[in-house]
Parts: sequence; structure tokens; C-alpha cells
Amino acid sequence: GAVVSQHPSWVICKSGTSVKIECRSLDFQATTMFWYRQFPKQSLMLMATSNEGSKATYEQGVEKDKFLINHASLTLSTLTVTSAHPEDSSFYICSARASLGTSGTSYEQYFGPGTRLTVT
Amino acid sequence: RKEVEQDPGPFNVPEGATVAFNCTYSNSASQSFFWYRQDCRKEPKLLMSVYSSGNEDGRFTAQLNRASQYISLLIRDSKLSDSATYLCVVRPFQKLVFGTGTRLLVSP
Repeated sequence: GAVVSQHPSWVICKSGTSVKIECRSLDFQATTMFWYRQFPKQSLMLMATSNEGSKATYEQGVEKDKFLINHASLTLSTLTVTSAHPEDSSFYICSARASLGTSGTSYEQYFGPGTRLTVT
Repeated sequence: RKEVEQDPGPFNVPEGATVAFNCTYSNSASQSFFWYRQDCRKEPKLLMSVYSSGNEDGRFTAQLNRASQYISLLIRDSKLSDSATYLCVVRPFQKLVFGTGTRLLVSP
């Protein structure tokens, strides 16, 4: 199946600093990428949907100025957590959606391995 | 009310047992349904899609009841390697909505 990578796999940073997480689709072009966050014992929560070349669409309650998303190419999206605080510590997972078939409809979503962020 | 509800478990079963998980969803516009498996500290991985007619993949059987907005997953002959959290996922529009997951522990 399709492969999605994330970098870094884990990061520890100090409160007030910014952290950038990269998500890459390795063997397909992803017109849409999704960013999720998962706190312990909770479900994955969609933070934002990112379409290549356009602004991301953020879910209700997610601060767009705090979680900056850039989707500059069909294989790369980045999430920057600005001025991170301990409550931002979480498991961040990206997902990329490929276009399938001649109809161009997109259904398959492939998940990256996740990035574990710890803010001290 | 959560969009996707699951019993968090854990379900503790011995090897070889049959175990069933249930899930309900609130959005009647949901069009696609899935079961994902998530191991500790890992990303979720697609286990199987769920169709109205019901579908089977080896030891795993999934059922969908649209009228009741209910999805199930049956695991037969449980293996130790089946220990994981099973996520019920629905797609009402273009976005996946995840349940909190049901944790399964299979013991020797």
C-alpha cells in the first residue's frame, strides 16, 4: 500500500518554542492531507484539512494561528505548533488521501506513523 | 452525544475465543464505514471496510445496520496478536470520524 512518512517521530521541546512536523507521501501524490491529534485514551480528532496550494480548513476549536499548516506540494504538508505549551503535548498524526481510478474520486486515506510531541 | 460511540473495554479474552465489538454512529448521512486497528503508540491501520451486506476477511466479520446506525466487528479464534485497540470509523462527508476505540486483550 501507499506509504506516508512523518518526521520527526518524536520531539521534546521547551514551553514557548515552535515545532515543525513534516508529512510526506512517498509513492503517490496527495491532493489532500489531514492532521489529527490524539490524547491518551482518546480518539483521533481531526484538526485540519489541507489541500495543496490552498489554505487549510480548520476544525472548530482549533486555533489556526497556533497550528500553522502548509501544503506547498503534492507530497509534503507541514504542521507547525507555535509557542508550544505542555497542554499541546500529544500524538500528532497526518493522513494523505490519494486520487484513485479514472473517475478521480478519492477515498483511500493513508496514515503516517505519527509524531509524539512532549512540551516541558 | 459523540458522533461515534464505542465501549472502551478492555475486553479480556483467552486465545481461541470469539469476541464481538459494537459501535453506533449518529450521523445518518454517513456513507462509508470502517474498522481500524491501532496498536499502542502507533498510527491506526485499516482493518476492513464495512458494507451493508456484511463482509468477511478471514477471522474477521463486519456488519452494518443502517436503520439502527450500528456497526459490528466479530473476531473468531482470537490470537495473541489481535491484542490492540479497534477503532470504529465513519465517513459522513469527506472526513473520517473516529470512535474512541475498544481495547482488546487476548491472553494465553
